[in-house]
Amino acid sequence: AQKVTQAQTEISVVEKEDVTLDCVYETRDTTYYLFWYKQPPSGELVFLIRRNSFDEQNEISGRYSWNFQKSTSSFNFTITASQVVDSAVYFCALSEVFRGFKTIFGAGTRLFVKA
Amino acid sequence: DVKVTQSSRYLVKRTGEKVFLECVQDMDHENMFWYRQDPGLGLRLIYFSYDVKMKEKGDIPEGYSVSREKKERFSLILESASTNQTSMYLCASSLPNARGSALSNQPQHFGDGTRLSIL
Repeated sequence: AQKVTQAQTEISVVEKEDVTLDCVYETRDTTYYLFWYKQPPSGELVFLIRRNSFDEQNEISGRYSWNFQKSTSSFNFTITASQVVDSAVYFCALSEVFRGFKTIFGAGTRLFVKA
Repeated sequence: DVKVTQSSRYLVKRTGEKVFLECVQDMDHENMFWYRQDPGLGLRLIYFSYDVKMKEKGDIPEGYSVSREKKERFSLILESASTNQTSMYLCASSLPNARGSALSNQPQHFGDGTRLSIL
């Protein structure tokens, strides 16, 4: 079974639109961490955010915001006023105590932002 | 800034060859990782190392081995390359977590990737 599901394979938006990337995870642990990474066309994954399972506060960083809801096992990522430079593949990831904190990645969502 | 450098961006090899993928990091990180990235599958962990000469299997170790003789360098070896090993390979490094356990919930820093084609 998929432990990290990113149901949206590709999303295409026009610049300045808001866009939300969905992430649903599955775990039996009470202690775990969730991550988002961005992979631009250059190929290098770039870390965006880490949340632990005990901190459900939403977070905002500039145009980026994250909504963590344990009740629905979701950790969604919203880009406000998208820009062409946001075009990339975005990965959600989970690391769990019982797996020794090995990181499991979702399949990724490819975001196209058109000018 | 952490720099993780993979020796090749593109590599073409033949079936049955022994292939070495090299990765070097410059931030004295204890943990290093090798992943492969395939469309629709995301990143899958092949092997990781939490110290010099220490290694553990990830989720898909079959057909691969690794070597970590120095802290900054982590090599992935395809003993006898096969066409199903054609993929993008990503190396990463990280600090251990705050309690010093072997594996890490710290963010990982990635290299640019090596796109390997086995013909």
